[in-house]
Amino acid sequence: DVKVTQSSRYLVKRTGEKVFLECVQDMDHENMFWYRQDPGLGLRLIYFSYDVKMKEKGDIPEGYSVSREKKERFSLILESASTNQTSMYLCASSLGTSGFTDTQYFGPGTRLTVL
Amino acid sequence: EDKVVQSPLSLVVHEGDTVTLNCSYEVTNFRSLLWYKQEKKAPTFLFMLTSSGIEKKSGRLSSILDKKELFSILNITATQTGDSAVYLCAVEAILGNTPLVFGKGTRLSVIA
Repeated sequence: DVKVTQSSRYLVKRTGEKVFLECVQDMDHENMFWYRQDPGLGLRLIYFSYDVKMKEKGDIPEGYSVSREKKERFSLILESASTNQTSMYLCASSLGTSGFTDTQYFGPGTRLTVL
Repeated sequence: EDKVVQSPLSLVVHEGDTVTLNCSYEVTNFRSLLWYKQEKKAPTFLFMLTSSGIEKKSGRLSSILDKKELFSILNITATQTGDSAVYLCAVEAILGNTPLVFGKGTRLSVIA
């Protein structure tokens, strides 16, 4: 079974801090995604990656960056955290043989609170 | 542990057929059930269901929730090739501090 893990379930940071959210998948998937989930807004795509060192902006990339140095690991970086980045962050991965139409497998989420 | 199970895992139909996708769930403090269509980079939102028995419709798609039996169905009538996608079901807990729990999806292929 596919396993997608995220480094923290809960995280509390202060405004202006640099924040790293880590995501690791163990199924050799090509594609990895970062979303944020907010009540009433559903899932919104921040960034995605289809290969090592490759990244593309999603729908709401402002204030975020990503890093994919190894195939299994996709990091989301908040360069200077702000209170409006308080949210639930979900990582997902998919196989990639069908482009982006493969089933995405989601991690358990990281609840980030920025004070 | 919260759980969402979708069936079938995959389905192949001909254009014009009607399909029913199933989603059953077990979740503490249920708030809502959501259906997504995933065909490109990110799932796109279809429906949010919070009350039993109230059908939501959007064109050829409709969905209904049964909170007593803990399941939802997504119906697609007069299917078209553009309906081919993975359909994801997710549940949201009332506290809002927990992530959506997703099912594994149903892959629908509509052939001409």
